[in-house]
Amino acid sequence: QVELQESGPGLVKPSETLSLSCTVSDGSISSYYWSWIRQPPGRGLEWIGYMFYSGISNYNPSLKSRVTISVDTAKNQFSLKLRFVTAADTAVYYCARKGYCSGGTCYSGLNVFDIWSQGTMVTVSS
Amino acid sequence: SYELTQPPSVSVSPGQTARITCSGDAMPKEYVYWYQQMSGQAPVLVIYKDSERPSGIPERFSGSRSGTTVTLTISGVQAEDEADYYCQSADSRGTYVVFGGGTKLTVL
Repeated sequence: QVELQESGPGLVKPSETLSLSCTVSDGSISSYYWSWIRQPPGRGLEWIGYMFYSGISNYNPSLKSRVTISVDTAKNQFSLKLRFVTAADTAVYYCARKGYCSGGTCYSGLNVFDIWSQGTMVTVSS
Repeated sequence: SYELTQPPSVSVSPGQTARITCSGDAMPKEYVYWYQQMSGQAPVLVIYKDSERPSGIPERFSGSRSGTTVTLTISGVQAEDEADYYCQSADSRGTYVVFGGGTKLTVL
């Protein structure tokens, strides 16, 4: 089964840019939409956005002005950039595959997240 | 913006049935999905397309929809089911993803 692994700094200064990458373990990065989801400490899940390798994307309206998601097919990676961060952006960040696959049948168009990374904690602090 | 509402907490004794609801002012025609998140771990999909169960998820997990409310039912709750549960859907155009606030299931 495909695995996702994030990488990036765990500490970002206020007003700077949070940058994370997620590596997809198999060669399927061109077949699905890829998403970022976050969870502030002690709180619920918040969808950040998703992107297809062709550039088709959707972002959470509350974050859209500060977020960019990109896909690098050559590296089997997709990335998140969140600009002008504040303490409110402190959270566990998850990368996830959008869609559902089972037994050789895949529903890539569904708004569901079937594969998640383990999550990485990012703290915004000076 | 579209919102999904869940009860903050549900408590049941082992062997009983737990029901966790998720409602929206105008539940869209989009499917609803359910995730289980154990403490310190990533969420795991337990129900997709309102009522379908992914492979590997125990049969005691089921989902249903009635009007503007969807329900996750866990029959014969076990201690290992203690976790946070989140419903998730999208707006009526299927453009923006939304999560419910989460429900903490406590097994007494």
